[in-house]
Amino acid sequence: DIQMTQSPSSVSASVGDRVTITCRASQGINSWLAWYQQKPGKAPKLLIYAASSLQSGVPSRFSGRGSGTDFTLTISSLQPEDFATYYCQQANSFPYTFGQGTKLEIK
Amino acid sequence: QLQLQESGPGLVKPSETLSLTCTVSGGSTSSSSYYWGWIRQPPGKGLEWIGMIYYSGGTYYNPSLKSRVTISVDTSKNQFSLKLSSVTAADTAVFYCASLNYSDRPFDHWGQGTLVTVSS
Repeated sequence: DIQMTQSPSSVSASVGDRVTITCRASQGINSWLAWYQQKPGKAPKLLIYAASSLQSGVPSRFSGRGSGTDFTLTISSLQPEDFATYYCQQANSFPYTFGQGTKLEIK
Repeated sequence: QLQLQESGPGLVKPSETLSLTCTVSGGSTSSSSYYWGWIRQPPGKGLEWIGMIYYSGGTYYNPSLKSRVTISVDTSKNQFSLKLSSVTAADTAVFYCASLNYSDRPFDHWGQGTLVTVSS
């Protein structure tokens, strides 16, 4: 199985800050990577697919980069509604796997 | 806009079979544009991919669950289903159904999720 490792596991930040979350795959996954946002009691919401493509309706302050094994999700200017848990997920090979999550908290 | 909704018992006894159904609206389970999948999340923990099915019936399962999982699709009802046999307390989780875009492979639409507790 491909292991997906996110860092940090949690981060505290303020409204207006720029935040970057990293996801590393245990082997190359080309660009088959998605990012999701999950708020408490809610289903995950797709933000980024194919490593860098912004899902329709997602604010442009979210961006994704990377290919191969190293990927990043950047939020350029945090808004109050962005405080949530973020997951990466690889779709290069079965079984599809998720990172352990990064909890973004208000400082 | 695709919408998905899970349904099924919220409580299952140990050793029994968990059965959930996902009803799709705003789209068709016979579409070649999507896979139909299940993901679970134990309370307070991360996401685990269970498996998925294509409209033609082709299935892909997580090897960690493969011996216990069956996913099927009923295109006449626009539904797909999950069966997980021989459940234990470790299977207690929120179960999500989701559509996976065939070309770019993200889970782009999700149901709201349903909590299934395994307890006697």
